[in-house]
Formats: sequence, C-alpha cells, structure tokens
Amino acid sequence: DQQVKQNSPSLSVQEGRISILNCDYTNSMFDYFLWYKKYPAEGPTFLISISSIKDKNEDGRFTVFLNKSAKHLSLHIVPSQPGDSAVYFCAASGSQGNLIFGKGTKLSVKP
Amino acid sequence: DAGVTQSPTHLIKTRGQQVTLRCSPKSGHDTVSWYQQALGQGPQFIFQYYEEEERQRGNFPDRFSGHQFPNYSSELNVNALLLGDSALYLCASSLGLAVLQETQYFGPGTRLLVL
Repeated sequence: DQQVKQNSPSLSVQEGRISILNCDYTNSMFDYFLWYKKYPAEGPTFLISISSIKDKNEDGRFTVFLNKSAKHLSLHIVPSQPGDSAVYFCAASGSQGNLIFGKGTKLSVKP
Repeated sequence: DAGVTQSPTHLIKTRGQQVTLRCSPKSGHDTVSWYQQALGQGPQFIFQYYEEEERQRGNFPDRFSGHQFPNYSSELNVNALLLGDSALYLCASSLGLAVLQETQYFGPGTRLLVL
C-alpha cells in the first residue's frame, strides 16, 4: 500500500512555461516532505523541502505547496528549462528517519 | 571532495547466488542508508547503519543484511537471490542520525540484474 503517490508517470512542458508536479500522501503523521531530482545514471539529489507547519516554500525557480487537509503537495517550476528534464520524486520523512518515496514523475521540457 | 561512491556499477547474478554491494560515504559522513529502486518504482528503504550497527530497518527479509566498517564504509549483502531482487541499489550517507533528510547524499547506485 503506497503511502506516497505520484499519479502522473510523465509530464511534458514547453521551455519557459510552468511545470506542476503533484504528489498525494495517505499518512497524516507525515510532517516533512521533500522533492528529489534524478538524472539517468546518477543518484537522487535534493531539490526542496517543506515542513507541515508551512504551506509554501520557495527557492529560486522552485516552489513547493502543501495542502495538509487534502494530503497533497505540488512542486512548481517557473520558468521551466530543458536542463530540468529529469525524474522527480516526492518523499515523506518516515518515523524511523527514513525516506518514503513516490514512484516518480518524468518531466520533459522541450525547447 | 568525493561524494558517495558505490561499487560495482553493474552486476549480473543468477538465482540462488549471493551478492555484495559496497558503498563509501561522502567525506565527513558517518551514517549510511541503503535503498532498493525497482524498475518504475521509487526507492525503498532497506536499512541504516550508524556506529557499525543496524539502527533502522525497512520491510525487507533477512536475506538482506549489511555491515558498516570502522571507516564508515558499508556493504549490502543479499543471499539466495530472486528474480525480483533485480533493481538499482542506492546508498545514501549523512552525518549522524538526527538530521534533516535533505542532508542525505545519494550515490549513483549499483544496478543488479538477476537471471
């Protein structure tokens, strides 16, 4: 039973436009969420995080929104660039200090 | 400053065999976690080592075991390999146990294929 769900396996956007990646979770005990980016043949790299006491966190072109009542978070990338093309993983911090990942969304940004 | 390194990069084994994967943490890090990423899935937490002891464990059978050495490097051992063990195995390192998750650094992984 997946506790962190990314229901869109892929997303294609035009360079310069906004990319919105979505993530849902089922465990209301999760209180910290992270987004990772993964290029082929590399490990995941941390992108941005958000604590459950906030509803928004911004870092440059990347913004994460958290809607606790809906158990939903989203990652916005504005403007999207071809170098953003990668697989994006949503993750929640588990009670053991481990990370619980979604299945990922493959983002393609076309020039 | 070397990041997290893993060896080998690729490995092919047959069912029933045993495999050992290796991880060297980022310089200055003392905690190592292992994850399994099956095709089309997100990484799944296997276990975490700190001070040469297994501190946390995910939902994986006893066929999966590990070790951490005094220099903080780590090994992941899988016995009696099954076809379903085919996956990318990721190692992540951090400093200490009680850290923000974003301070975990991942290695490039070892891709294991079981035939």
